[in-house]
Amino acid sequence: GQNIDQPTEMTATEGAIVQINCTYQTSGFNGLFWYQQHAGEAPTFLSYNVLDGLEEKGRFSSFLSRSKGYSYLLLKELQMKDSASYLCAATDSNYQLIWGAGTKLIIKP
Amino acid sequence: GAVVSQHPSRVICKSGTSVKIECRSLDFQATTMFWYRQFPKQSLMLMATSNEGSKATYEQGVEKDKFLINHASLTLSTLTVTSAHPEDSSFYICSAQTLGTDNGEQYFGPGTRLTVT
Repeated sequence: GQNIDQPTEMTATEGAIVQINCTYQTSGFNGLFWYQQHAGEAPTFLSYNVLDGLEEKGRFSSFLSRSKGYSYLLLKELQMKDSASYLCAATDSNYQLIWGAGTKLIIKP
Repeated sequence: GAVVSQHPSRVICKSGTSVKIECRSLDFQATTMFWYRQFPKQSLMLMATSNEGSKATYEQGVEKDKFLINHASLTLSTLTVTSAHPEDSSFYICSAQTLGTDNGEQYFGPGTRLTVT
């Protein structure tokens, strides 16, 4: 079957670094997305990984290991506005997005 | 680019009435549009996938006669919640894929909050 696992909730301190992990099992695999969703709003695109390795984009970086079926989103220099849910989604062989349940990130001062 | 709009952003209706939600791709052609539902503090739940000019494909457990989806053009899809009940109150979000997408990315609309009284 197809499955995406990520932690339900994480807490971190303003200014710190946090890593949100995601493991996936899909029928074929083409790439992995990370989206950010603030409460009451639609998801917004953060990153897309198709090759193994780390992709850095400002304070946010995303890592992919295709052999391990594993990805993580790394957030540096955390700000209060980073409090949101972070959704991991893998694309299967038909480019269908398989969504994780999301990780709610709580930032404390 | 790749902007998706939804209308209305909020709607309150009485139990038993029907509500139509529009999803438009403003600056691109969307051959495939997706409709999601999200209950408070829960993740996105895919309801259906619609391709322009053909019938929508509904996910298991989603009543196709209750949630009518029409995708009549490459820029417009509509979701009609028929005979709405309070348990249909939710956040409905549409997304769209561009023609010839090379990675499956979906562009999301801002969502519609439906409250059924």
